[in-house]
Amino acid sequence: QSALTQPRSVSGSPGQSVTISCTGTASDVGGYNYVSWYQEHPGKAPRLMIYDVSQRPSGVPDRFSGSKSGNAASLTISGLQAEDEADYYCCSYAGTYTFVFGGGTKLTVL
Amino acid sequence: QVQLVQSGAEVKTPGSSVRVSCKTSGGSFTSYGRSWVRQAPGQGLEWMGEIIPMFGTAYYAQKFQGRVRISADDSTNTVYMELRSLRSDDTAVYYCVKEMGRGSRSFDYWGQGTLVTVSS
Repeated sequence: QSALTQPRSVSGSPGQSVTISCTGTASDVGGYNYVSWYQEHPGKAPRLMIYDVSQRPSGVPDRFSGSKSGNAASLTISGLQAEDEADYYCCSYAGTYTFVFGGGTKLTVL
Repeated sequence: QVQLVQSGAEVKTPGSSVRVSCKTSGGSFTSYGRSWVRQAPGQGLEWMGEIIPMFGTAYYAQKFQGRVRISADDSTNTVYMELRSLRSDDTAVYYCVKEMGRGSRSFDYWGQGTLVTVSS
């Protein structure tokens, strides 16, 4: 159960788009359509942004989108806003009621 | 509206145990899995284990096998996480999280977090 691989940091200017990658294996990301993404602001509990690879919970702006190809998943944020600056974590189901998180990506809005 | 309310901060010595509770209000308690996720200072999220209250069966990350126990009390809608043989690197915020269910494997509600500090 190794952590999923994410870039340590990404950045973009307001209005631009950024994509955060999340790479796993055939035992987790590649094996199930159960990748989720969480946004974490300092001092706050994480918030679900994307579930089941590409689904948005109620209340999440449609600027946030998710996709998956093979053993890799991605979160794209379009029309960047200052409040999007946060840490983002991917998570994948890994079978038999187990999960694995990515190491996290710090998004900086320039 | 679902709420997960966790017990308060703990300070423990190395080698001891800690038990953190998580009480659910709103929604169905037994139908959805409850996981524990921890975050060490300045570090990322780490999944520790999950219990399915309906079945009372718990599943753990290999890293914590033999050192963690997750249990559920249906009568009080409370889930517990006990971590034994504490070390300094167990210092972290521990979150109780609820699975979304309805065929999804994701976590839609998070507790407020419980800081566990392990120090001599």
